Amino acid sequence: AQSVTQLGSHVSVSEGALVLLRCNYSSSVPPYLFWYVQYPNQGLQLLLKYTTGATLVKGINGFEAEFKKSETSFHLTKPSAHMSDAAEYFCAAKTQGGSEKLVFGKGTKLTVNP
Amino acid sequence: DVKVTQSSRYLVKRTGEKVFLECVQDMDHENMFWYRQDPGLGLRLIYFSYDVKMKEKGDIPEGYSVSREKKERFSLILESASTNQTSMYLCASSLGAGGAAEAFFGQGTRLTVV
Repeated sequence: AQSVTQLGSHVSVSEGALVLLRCNYSSSVPPYLFWYVQYPNQGLQLLLKYTTGATLVKGINGFEAEFKKSETSFHLTKPSAHMSDAAEYFCAAKTQGGSEKLVFGKGTKLTVNP
Repeated sequence: DVKVTQSSRYLVKRTGEKVFLECVQDMDHENMFWYRQDPGLGLRLIYFSYDVKMKEKGDIPEGYSVSREKKERFSLILESASTNQTSMYLCASSLGAGGAAEAFFGQGTRLTVV
């Protein structure tokens, strides 16, 4: 069964520093991959998604993620953190041509220090 | 804009009560989902539905049931609420079957069972 692993339940960066949030998936066939953000007491909002084709995916709010098949990874990055980026981030996967179920990682809470 | 609306943001119920959580989407999506979110555990799928009157168990269906009588509405039912069902509940919807469509989430219902 598909599983998603997010390394680091908490990540802390300084304002202006690089943000790197890690995500690995388990399946041998690359799934569709998604990153969502959740601000306090709100639902999840899509940041970006990988389907097929270009491996570097750009999303909203300056975030991007790179799909690496050889590493079964889909890490999320942002060159310069902003205070407003403080939130919880979830990586999710869906099997291509399979069930509509999204499988989520356990989330990474990002703190941005002034 | 796609809108997924959950009927309550906050609910407090007593142990043993029958609880209904309602979710409505306005984009004619085939798929609807109920997730439960707990700190450190991420999002876990309770049930999902891929068509009216069709449902499939997720990873943690025990103690829950669902109803989908109309395409736009998906209800989660706690037959006899217990304190271990205190959690954040998130409803989501998505388009189509087998494709890369992302899920859209409601704002969440924070349920407390006392």
